[in-house]
Amino acid sequence: AQTVTQSQPEMSVQEAETVTLSCTYDTSESDYYLFWYKQPPSRQMILVIRQEAYKQQNATENRFSVNFQKAAKSFSLKISDSQLGDAAMYFCAPFYGGATNKLIFGTGTLLAVQP
Amino acid sequence: DGGITQSPKYLFRKEGQNVTLSCEQNLNHDAMYWYRQDPGQGLRLIYYSQIVNDFQKGDIAEGYSVSREKKESFPLTVTSAQKNPTAFYLCASSIWASGTYNEQFFGPGTRLTVL
Repeated sequence: AQTVTQSQPEMSVQEAETVTLSCTYDTSESDYYLFWYKQPPSRQMILVIRQEAYKQQNATENRFSVNFQKAAKSFSLKISDSQLGDAAMYFCAPFYGGATNKLIFGTGTLLAVQP
Repeated sequence: DGGITQSPKYLFRKEGQNVTLSCEQNLNHDAMYWYRQDPGQGLRLIYYSQIVNDFQKGDIAEGYSVSREKKESFPLTVTSAQKNPTAFYLCASSIWASGTYNEQFFGPGTRLTVL
């Protein structure tokens, strides 16, 4: 079975500080994509960042970056210079093509940002 | 404005009643998806459709039904056979290309409560 584990149900960070959210996954697929989604209190799902598994370079989107370790099947999200608007639930979600062909979501990490 | 709309935002149902959740998109996307979200869990795929008049079961299709008569619309019916229907339901759409990932865009969701 393809599983996704987010081992931190809740995290807290001070405004302007940096926080890292962890995600590990289990798959026998060699080609896949990895995503972090943000769900603020409005419950709208927002794509934060994506990483293609065949790329060694870690993806970066402004204050958001990932640490992708393919051999370890680890995909962590780093948020730099945290802002109050970053407070949300964050979901790690691999996408596997082929026979699976779907997103698989982790259970989420609730991030609080303290002023 | 291009996007995905879901209605209603809140829905209440008595036990034993069927209820239909609406999802409409004007993004000209081929694929549409229904997810269920429960507290403390990630999103789980109920049904998806790659093309008009065709759809496939996801991981938790039991007690649900869908139709795809128009490209823009993908309504979800929660039947009385669904034993625990109280949840948050999210609809999404994307371009469809088999074996590769195309970003899924999410609607604002419908909160269903069974009384």
